[in-house]
Amino acid sequence: GESVGLHLPTLSVQEGDNSIINCAYSNSASDYFIWYKQESGKGPQFIIDIRSNMDKRQGQRVTVLLNKTVKHLSLQIAATQPGDSAVYFCAETPSSYKLIFGSGTRLLVRP
Amino acid sequence: GAVVSQHPSWVICKSGTSVKIECRSLDFQATTMFWYRQFPKQSLMLMATSNEGSKATYEQGVEKDKFLINHASLTLSTLTVTSAHPEDSSFYICSARDLDGLNQPQHFGDGTRLSIL
Repeated sequence: GESVGLHLPTLSVQEGDNSIINCAYSNSASDYFIWYKQESGKGPQFIIDIRSNMDKRQGQRVTVLLNKTVKHLSLQIAATQPGDSAVYFCAETPSSYKLIFGSGTRLLVRP
Repeated sequence: GAVVSQHPSWVICKSGTSVKIECRSLDFQATTMFWYRQFPKQSLMLMATSNEGSKATYEQGVEKDKFLINHASLTLSTLTVTSAHPEDSSFYICSARDLDGLNQPQHFGDGTRLSIL
């Protein structure tokens, strides 16, 4: 049955507005970070990544910010569209091969 | 590029049955593939790392005799859930990383929804 008491935090934004999704990571040794988008019933889809020697990286409509001092990562989506509605996960690599996922944020885009 | 295919996408079977899930990298070679499990409204939890030509590495708390992993080639890893029970019902997702994939993103399959009656 469904898990009790476990709910993804939800960010609701108006179509066209900018979205900011935040993530706190746990391991100060992590040197590579990725944001994934997961739509219902599908696997995670790569959005953007950043290495620990950078604090900002931009893609198409997306920007990732990394603050190593407070172990914080954020994903900014410009001009949010209905197709952006999904669950977003940050992931960190505390070792050279293992990927550890954050708890996720559901993004809902209001038309 | 970097497509990972999982099969089957959905399976329902009776308690006690063993179920095999395949994960294939279609357009790249992967010495390492990963198996995750995801319960509803939760994040992905790494179960094991599948290494081509050697034994898989299991995360703490994951029974290696329950979840058998075989990685016989650079493009195929299989996960067999042995003697499955209702508590094994979940969304199983694999990922793969390219051969030169240090600090490269893992590419994910679209998951297998397993329902045990």
